[in-house]
Amino acid sequence: GAVVSQHPSWVICKSGTSVKIECRSLDFQATTMFWYRQFPKQSLMLMATSNEGSKATYEQGVEKDKFLINHASLTLSTLTVTSAHPEDSSFYICSASAGGPQEQFFGPGTRLTVL
Amino acid sequence: AQSVTQLDSHVSVSEGTPVLLRCNYSSSYSPSLFWYVQHPNKGLQLLLKYTSAATLVKGINGFEAEFKKSETSFHLTKPSAHMSDAAEYFCVVRAAGNKLTFGGGTRVLVKP
Repeated sequence: GAVVSQHPSWVICKSGTSVKIECRSLDFQATTMFWYRQFPKQSLMLMATSNEGSKATYEQGVEKDKFLINHASLTLSTLTVTSAHPEDSSFYICSASAGGPQEQFFGPGTRLTVL
Repeated sequence: AQSVTQLDSHVSVSEGTPVLLRCNYSSSYSPSLFWYVQHPNKGLQLLLKYTSAATLVKGINGFEAEFKKSETSFHLTKPSAHMSDAAEYFCVVRAAGNKLTFGGGTRVLVKP
């Protein structure tokens, strides 16, 4: 299957700072990328959907000004957690798809810890 | 709206014995259903998918699942568990816009 990478794999930051997470599709063009959040021992929850060149669509309850998503190219999407707080500590996972009903390929995830 | 319920949060089996992971779904139309596996510190891997073709779906690593519309179920099975099957398993339904809704997950423990 296709390969999706995330960087960094883990990050620790101080409360109030911003953190950027990158999601890259390495061997295919990802028209659509998805961002998920997974709290410990819980399932994945979709945060937002981003299509290349368009504004992201956020799920209900997800603050768009806090979780900034950019999908400027067909191989890269970024999630920036602004003014991070301890409650934002979580495992963030991206997935990428070639569009439409095409299979989503998942990245390995980024573990964010906010002190 | 779509929803997925995984009936067991934890399943413990002995190596070499069958594995059954139960999943029920709710969908307003004919669904696409998936099973993913998540090993610690690794990305989710697709085990198998149902997209309105054969109701018995065979996946990787000896797993298979049967779509039963009358029971709104999509249970995952494997005849003989291996130590490497210890992981978290997610049943997933796909909605419009290729949005995935995940079940709560089932953690599988395999005893030697």
